Amino acid sequence: DTAVSQTPKYLVTQMGNDKSIKCEQNLGHDTMYWYKQDSKKFLKIMFSYNNKELIINETVPNRFSPKSPDKAHLNLHINSLELGDSAVYFCASSQDAAGGGQYFGPGTRLTVT
Amino acid sequence: EDKVVQSPLSLVVHEGDTVTLNCSYEVTNFRSLLWYKQEKKAPTFLFMLTSSGIEKKSGRLSSILDKKELFSILNITATQTGDSAVYLCVPRRFTDKLIFGTGTRLQVFP
Repeated sequence: DTAVSQTPKYLVTQMGNDKSIKCEQNLGHDTMYWYKQDSKKFLKIMFSYNNKELIINETVPNRFSPKSPDKAHLNLHINSLELGDSAVYFCASSQDAAGGGQYFGPGTRLTVT
Repeated sequence: EDKVVQSPLSLVVHEGDTVTLNCSYEVTNFRSLLWYKQEKKAPTFLFMLTSSGIEKKSGRLSSILDKKELFSILNITATQTGDSAVYLCVPRRFTDKLIFGTGTRLQVFP
């Protein structure tokens, strides 16, 4: 059973396009996250939702917009893609915002050409 | 400014060796510290440490936190080639923000 799943695993698209990455967790967790892994392998948090409410919103371009239709899903929509958006994006979830380790999805490799 | 320093940055050992990975941190509103193992892509959660001096163990891995000295170590005994990975020490704030460093790259050779 996949705990945290992301689709697609790979995404190749052209500059200026709009794309979405989906994330689902079947762990019953209340909190979900989006991270961007840069070329130096640093993981940088982008957003965090707790029970469908945004609780962390780091400094990211407005072109990135998370959407949480329910607490098991957190999708990431990116408008007007730029070359610098190329990276691996990880979704994660945790039991709640105050405790528990985070379980990560397999990542989505986004390549913008 | 938040800071996480892991040492060594890279470590090469033979199977059967014991390794100790170090992590020092300076984080405002510190709540807990997480250790992850990252192979290829997605990190795998190992431990969450919230109290000083209490060792957490999972098989050959163990970890402990010193909140006074702002320090944590991860021990791996009888290393195996499957332990080869990047190990991330990740302090966590009360706001749930995680602070990531570069990690320690461990390579275990047969």
